Amino acid sequence: DSGVTQTPKHLITATGQRVTLRCSPRSGDLSVYWYQQSLDQGLQFLIQYYNGEERAKGNILERFSAQQFPDLHSELNLSSLELGDSALYFCASSVGPNAGELFFGEGSRLTVL
Amino acid sequence: AQKITQTQPGMFVQEKEAVTLDCTYDTSDQSYGLFWYKQPSSGEMIFLIYQGSYDEQNATEGRYSLNFQKARKSANLVISASQLGDSAMYFCAMREGPGYSSASKIIFGSGTRLSIRP
Repeated sequence: DSGVTQTPKHLITATGQRVTLRCSPRSGDLSVYWYQQSLDQGLQFLIQYYNGEERAKGNILERFSAQQFPDLHSELNLSSLELGDSALYFCASSVGPNAGELFFGEGSRLTVL
Repeated sequence: AQKITQTQPGMFVQEKEAVTLDCTYDTSDQSYGLFWYKQPSSGEMIFLIYQGSYDEQNATEGRYSLNFQKARKSANLVISASQLGDSAMYFCAMREGPGYSSASKIIFGSGTRLSIRP
């Protein structure tokens, strides 16, 4: 158990819909990262937050947004969903803004039909 | 721009043999970090080993060692005495930038699927 909690574990929705994925980092970790892993693909970096502020951005679509709240949990919002958004979405946390080891959650598997 | 390349999509290895998973990287930064993660079929990401660009010794963690060749920009993972439980996807990753500075993203390679034969 990494200590990072992601909900929901599985989510099935339709095209055009909007979903919110939630992540609670490990206790004491201030930095949260979001990654997208499509089927049999590597992990694509989406965005990083540190202590409530956005610190690094990857290839995140404009339809996607994220935030980190004062209690340090983070949410990834995906809107106007398309079939290609079906993927495993990972949240990871680390102590500081520059990760040594990233601790990953179990992921949220999103299926868009 | 930083880049991670894993050229072996899949590998089959006999149990108890050693295996080397290749990883090359490209960065213009002098300070960076290299990681290996394991992803079993259950899907979770498991941290294996870390090497800092200024670390003079190759990192080792139990049966895992990282063969760091800075001039060649390679960071191969070596697993000694492979076990059936080592069957998984293995990802090489890189953090660009020094650990004390402002945030830098960590990017992952495309992965190598390792299968251990009994």
